[in-house]
Amino acid sequence: EVQLVESGGDLVQPGGSLRLSCEASGFTLTNYAMSWVRQTPGKGLEWISAISKSGGTFYVDSVKGRVTVSRDNSKNTLYLQINSLRADDTAVYYCAGCMVFKNGWCNWLDPWGQGTLVTVSS
Amino acid sequence: DIVMTQSPLSLPVTPGEPASISCTSSRSLLHSDGYNYLDWYLQKPGQSPQVLIYLGSSRASGVPDRFSGSGSGTDFTLKISRVEAEDVGVYYCMQGLQTPLTFGGGTKVEIK
Repeated sequence: EVQLVESGGDLVQPGGSLRLSCEASGFTLTNYAMSWVRQTPGKGLEWISAISKSGGTFYVDSVKGRVTVSRDNSKNTLYLQINSLRADDTAVYYCAGCMVFKNGWCNWLDPWGQGTLVTVSS
Repeated sequence: DIVMTQSPLSLPVTPGEPASISCTSSRSLLHSDGYNYLDWYLQKPGQSPQVLIYLGSSRASGVPDRFSGSGSGTDFTLKISRVEAEDVGVYYCMQGLQTPLTFGGGTKVEIK
């Protein structure tokens, strides 16, 4: 069964750091591009970062410079390092697989993990 | 960035009746390859989003055939031919044409 399981969410103070993990089972991460999507009550779903099959990375402007996406092929695990956390980073963070048709490297998202909650508050 | 706009915000439905959700993009999602890079997701209560429709009209594996996607360019529609109780949740459209991928604000479907 194809599955993604996130972990690492926590309550952190503003300015702090956190590393989120996304362990894949049932498929090999390096065969797919992968994404991170976050969900907040106020802003809905926001695609924030991705890593291509070849290791190229993408970051949305709202997190650029504070976030790093990476993967450990030996552990079949995707990571998201978030630094300088702010209150508006409070969200449920999902990892998701990128499906590609003919163009680009992320045309739709499948599967999705169950999400991990990050709360930024003093 | 491409802006995605959904309507309505909320949709009360009667089981057995049809339902329809609209999604508009700020630029055309029709690629020169002939495909529209528009997807639909359903987030059931307490769950993560799951893909229903990709490339405008292709149903994802396991999705019932009462769900259908249509449209081209900037205007798209998700239709449920006969709503069932298990269809409640928030529906999102998303454009997969260019990065950053962007989502609509969501349509909450609930039973009357």
